[in-house]
Amino acid sequence: RKEVEQDPGPFNVPEGATVAFNCTYSNSASQSFFWYRQDCRKEPKLLMSVYSSGNEDGRFTAQLNRASQYISLLIRDSKLSDSATYLCVVGGGSYIPTFGRGTSLIVHP
Amino acid sequence: NAGVTQTPKFQVLKTGQSMTLQCAQDMNHNSMYWYRQDPGMGLRLIYYSASEGTTDKGEVPNGYNVSRLNKREFSLRLESAAPSQTSVYFCASSPAEAASYEQYFGPGTRLTVT
Repeated sequence: RKEVEQDPGPFNVPEGATVAFNCTYSNSASQSFFWYRQDCRKEPKLLMSVYSSGNEDGRFTAQLNRASQYISLLIRDSKLSDSATYLCVVGGGSYIPTFGRGTSLIVHP
Repeated sequence: NAGVTQTPKFQVLKTGQSMTLQCAQDMNHNSMYWYRQDPGMGLRLIYYSASEGTTDKGEVPNGYNVSRLNKREFSLRLESAAPSQTSVYFCASSPAEAASYEQYFGPGTRLTVT
C-alpha cells in the first residue's frame, strides 16, 4: 500500500459546483497534513494546512479523520481558476513529508 | 523578496554530460530540498539539507550529488547525465523540518537528456 494515496481524477465539474477530494495515509503516527495546489507546468504552492479540528479558508474546507486515516478537501462554488492539480502532503515519523501523486481538477464553463 | 530561485529554467544535455542546477532562497530558511517530478510519479525527494553544513539522501539519490554552499544556496549536480534523468527538478526550502512546516518551491528546471 502506498503511504499517501489520492484518486488521480480528473474530476471534471461545472462552474459553481461543489467538489471534494480525499487522501488516505498509511502511517498512523503522522502529525502534519497539508494541501498544495499545482498549476500546469508550475511549482506546487501551499493551499492550506489541515488541523485536527478542521479548517476553512473562504470556499475551501479541509478536514482530518484520524480514525480512518484520511484528509479531505472540499471546494465550494468552483471557479474556472480552481482548475489545477491538488497534492496531499503528510508528515510525521521522519524529517521529510510524503507527497501524494495529486488529484486533477478541471472546472468548465 | 524573490523567494526561491532556480537556474537554469531549461536545459538539454547529451548522455554523459555533467551540469549543476543552482538554487537560492532569501527567506533565511534552515532546510532546503531537491525534488524531481515525472508524469504519474509525483514529487520524489532526491536530497535534502536540514541545516547549513548537512545533507542527506532522499528517496532517489543515485546519479546525483548536492552541495549546501551556505544557508542561502543548495546546488544539485549530475555528474554523468542519463536519459532516465529527464525530468522537472524543483528546489524547495522550509523554516525547519518539512514534515511540520510549509515548503516554498522554486519555479523548476526542465531538463532533457538525449
